[in-house]
Amino acid sequence: KAGVTQTPRYLIKTRGQQVTLSCSPISGHRSVSWYQQTPGQGLQFLFEYFSETQRNKGNFPGRFSGRQFSNSRSEMNVSTLELGDSALYLCASSLGAGNTGANVLTFGAGSRLTVL
Amino acid sequence: DAKTTQPNSMESNEEEPVHLPCNHSTISGTDYIHWYRQLPSQGPEYVIHGLTSNVNNRMASLAIAEDRKSSTLILHRATLRDAAVYYCILRDPNYGGSQGNLIFGKGTKLSVKP
Repeated sequence: KAGVTQTPRYLIKTRGQQVTLSCSPISGHRSVSWYQQTPGQGLQFLFEYFSETQRNKGNFPGRFSGRQFSNSRSEMNVSTLELGDSALYLCASSLGAGNTGANVLTFGAGSRLTVL
Repeated sequence: DAKTTQPNSMESNEEEPVHLPCNHSTISGTDYIHWYRQLPSQGPEYVIHGLTSNVNNRMASLAIAEDRKSSTLILHRATLRDAAVYYCILRDPNYGGSQGNLIFGKGTKLSVKP
């Protein structure tokens, strides 16, 4: 079956612009979560969506937002880009229900954002 | 979520077994132990998970100490493709129903020499 698909894979923006990243989860997965990966901070949780509702949020400023559609596809948006937003943005999907401890996440390949 | 401690890096020779340790002395009775790995230029991928008993799958084995305060990921025959950063993560099934927020540490960078 198809994996988690993220688009675009690479993009370059300038400071002050905004960006939207897209994630298509594995068919049947209802939970989509987003992570930011930088060399200095490693992998950090941004937020999770389940059935179009944000279920959990990490410690990021309000410039970072997201949403989930009825088909479970998700988008995240970063407004007023800063140089420090340059990172690999990863999306992961999971079933979203049942035993939280046992369910596993499937990650996409990521969207690499460079802010100049 | 409870914390885990892993060595920063390890080296292995190709086709030899690799034992990647993880300490989690503050683990609760309901925490699951998960391992993910991240190959260069890719997103993390699931490797294995367990609760109390040792686990085997096609990728690896997970050995869990009897007191559950530590675990070891075992790659039976390392290949060059196994060179990656390996993350040991604890998952709490009682964490408010949320399933997406894994807490990644620095992980162990595994190098495999031909």
